[in-house]
Amino acid sequence: DAGVIQSPRHEVTEMGQEVTLRCKPISGHDYLFWYRQTMMRGLELLIYFNNNVPIDDSGMPEDRFSAKMPNASFSTLKIQPSEPRDSAVYFCASSLPSGYNEQFFGPGTRLTVL
Amino acid sequence: AQSVAQPEDQVNVAEGNPLTVKCTYSVSGNPYLFWYVQYPNRGLQFLLKYITGDNLVKGSYGFEAEFNKSQTSFHLKKPSALVSDSALYFCAVGYGANNLFFGTGTRLTVIP
Repeated sequence: DAGVIQSPRHEVTEMGQEVTLRCKPISGHDYLFWYRQTMMRGLELLIYFNNNVPIDDSGMPEDRFSAKMPNASFSTLKIQPSEPRDSAVYFCASSLPSGYNEQFFGPGTRLTVL
Repeated sequence: AQSVAQPEDQVNVAEGNPLTVKCTYSVSGNPYLFWYVQYPNRGLQFLLKYITGDNLVKGSYGFEAEFNKSQTSFHLKKPSALVSDSALYFCAVGYGANNLFFGTGTRLTVIP
């Protein structure tokens, strides 16, 4: 298995632009997670899905952020409009059900908003 | 509420010496505890986990961790450090259906 795939790996955009991050989870994993990592705030859970349904989006910072999972093999995280404080590394992770299964992380997307 | 503390931001150890990265936790009920490692410009990689059973858990790359219920700790250890072990290490506690609460991370530097 190729593992969790994320694209793009790097994104540089200007303030006010729309940004879309993409994720393909490991086949057979029922859970998908979006995280954000910054030096100041560490690793933060933004939202997670179970069987394509959003379960907890309490970590989404504000309405500018939205996430979708139209099918079991694809998810997007969108920021519109983007702001410089959104600059971070965004990770997608997937796992099998149950709290004792480890999550598998993608390589991340490094977002820079100028 | 679930929480994880990694009291050391940075740990330095000489190559060949034993290493310990500390983690304490607070969780209601039985804990699921994890260690992850992050190399530069990479995602987090799973190292090991404690679910139940033997308090000493062995994982990838020669790492092990000891679950201590009375001290609510889950320290990561390795008998002999390698330069290639230099990375950022995260402790995490599992809760709910499938959530992980991560610590703030400890940067391990192994000095040749």
